[in-house]
This record gives sequence, structure tokens and C-alpha cells, in this order.
Amino acid sequence: GENVEQHPSTLSVQEGDSAVIKCTYSDSASNYFPWYKQELGKGPQLIIDIRSNVGEKKDQRIAVTLNKTAKHFSLHITETQPEDSAVYFCAASIAWGAQKLVFGQGTRLTINP
Amino acid sequence: EADIYQTPRYLVIGTGKKITLECSQTMGHDKMYWYQQDPGMELHLIHYSYGVNSTEKGDLSSESTVSRIRTEHFPLTLESARPSHTSQYLCASSDNRQGYGYTFGSGTRLTVV
Repeated sequence: GENVEQHPSTLSVQEGDSAVIKCTYSDSASNYFPWYKQELGKGPQLIIDIRSNVGEKKDQRIAVTLNKTAKHFSLHITETQPEDSAVYFCAASIAWGAQKLVFGQGTRLTINP
Repeated sequence: EADIYQTPRYLVIGTGKKITLECSQTMGHDKMYWYQQDPGMELHLIHYSYGVNSTEKGDLSSESTVSRIRTEHFPLTLESARPSHTSQYLCASSDNRQGYGYTFGSGTRLTVV
């Protein structure tokens, strides 16, 4: 089955700097890669996703890149703000059928003012 | 604004008690999931459902059981709670017709004493 590895487990950056979180996956059949943000006391919320027919996707300060050959994908947050502090999860799945997302271990991002 | 609701948000219960964690969604999603989130943040799939009268065990073995009698309702039951069941339980739903991302509830934090 699919296995997703996420790094780093914790990340601390200065406000205004960029943050990058990286994930690798094992199943070459996976073709859907979402990123979730979990704030304290809440459930994870989808912030951006990418499908295997696209190499990069941007949404304002957030971008995701995908390298299918190397089987890794990354989340990039630019101009970080205090409200970006949260736990971030990457995930991978086959985008049909059961859609059983396999999650990475999570990254706790702290933005220092 | 949440379209998937979990109750209770917090539950402290004694060993040996039977408990049911409720999960309801108003989006008409056919697929629903239960994840267990450990203190180290990782999300582990314990149950999922493709639709009414369909339930499957997830990747992490769990002593809990689920049922799916109605599309919108996916309760999780522990017949005899133990301290090892102490955890955060997250419910999610998805639907191919609305993209592939999950919508998560806010979770139930269960403590068994």
C-alpha cells in the first residue's frame, strides 16, 4: 500500500520568510496530492491540492509542486504570517474508488513575529 | 463553516463503558471516514464507508465498530472503553462529484479513565 513520508516534523521561520514542507510517496499509481492545515482544536482543512497531470499549482501565498518521477511533492508558503502557524499534513491517494487518503506524519509550523 | 458535525467535542468516561461518537454531514457525500489522531499528530484510518450499508476496516486495527444506515450519519461505537482508546477521533467525508478532497469535522477528544 501507499506510504507517505513528510519532513520536517517541526519548522520555525521568521514572519515574512518562506516555509517549505516536503513529502515523498511510494505508490506510483497515486495521482491526487492534497495538503491540509490543522489549527488548534479544529479538524484538518484542505488548503490546496494537485493532481498528477500538473507540475505546479499556486493559490496566493501558497504553492505546491509535484515531481512524479522522483515521487515527491512540496508545499511552499511565501511571506509567512502569524496565522500560518498550524500543523500541516500532506496526503496521497488514487483519485477514484475509495479515495483513501494516506497522510504524512505532519509538520508543526511556527511563525515567529 | 462546518458541514460535517461531530458530537461530543470532549468526552471523559470510565473504563468498561459503552460509547458512541456521532458524525453527521449535510453535503450528501457518499464516502465517509474515521481517523484516529495520536498525540504525535499522525492520522490513522480506522474505518471507512463507500455508501449506505457499506463499511470497511482501515489500515489501523481498532476495537471500535461503525454503521452506515443513512447517507448522512456514520457513528463509531466502542463496546467497552479502555484507557488505550484515549485519543482524538476525526470524521471526514468526500464525494467524487465535488472533487477529491476530504471535509473533516472538528473531532471528538476521548479520554478513558
